[in-house]
Amino acid sequence: DSGVTQTPKHLITATGQRVTLRCSPRSGDLSVYWYQQSLDQGLQFLIQYYNGEERAKGNILERFSAQQFPDLHSELNLSSLELGDSALYFCASSFKALSNTGELFFGEGSRLTVL
Amino acid sequence: SQKIEQNSEALNIQEGKTATLTCNYTNYSPAYLQWYRQDPGRGPVFLLLIRENEKEKRKERLKVTFDTTLKQSLFHITASQPADSATYLCALDNTGGFKTIFGAGTRLFVKA
Repeated sequence: DSGVTQTPKHLITATGQRVTLRCSPRSGDLSVYWYQQSLDQGLQFLIQYYNGEERAKGNILERFSAQQFPDLHSELNLSSLELGDSALYFCASSFKALSNTGELFFGEGSRLTVL
Repeated sequence: SQKIEQNSEALNIQEGKTATLTCNYTNYSPAYLQWYRQDPGRGPVFLLLIRENEKEKRKERLKVTFDTTLKQSLFHITASQPADSATYLCALDNTGGFKTIFGAGTRLFVKA
């Protein structure tokens, strides 16, 4: 158990809908990262937060947004869903604070299926 | 453009042999490089981290080398076991930024 909790584990929805994925980092970790992994694809970096602030952005679509709350949990919002958004969405947290100098602890992912 | 390349072909080896996986990168200057293991449908699990000033690092049956001149890391699993079968991902930081970028991974099958 990595200590990172993601909910929901599975989600099935229709095109055009909006969903919210939630992540609770390990106790004491200030940084949260979101990744997308499509079938047979590698982990694509979406966005990173440190202590409530956005620190880095990857190839995140404009239809997607995220935030990190004062209690350090994070939410990834996906809107106007398309079939191609079906994927595993992973959250990871890191102990290291200001810079990206530590191992990442991953949750078990949220599997999103868009029909 | 920046790239992290891992052998996309699966690696099949016999139990007891040493598995060697390769990670090459271009247009990065990472301060460190990491290796993770990922089982199907599960989140990646951290294995080893090696810094740019380290040539080699070991942990039990695992060994990682890091050559910043060649821009390459090698990941070795000695005395491999069927339980080592998984996808192995290399990852590096985007120096000056806050991203950890992953390669696509190499699938390892260890046959009993």
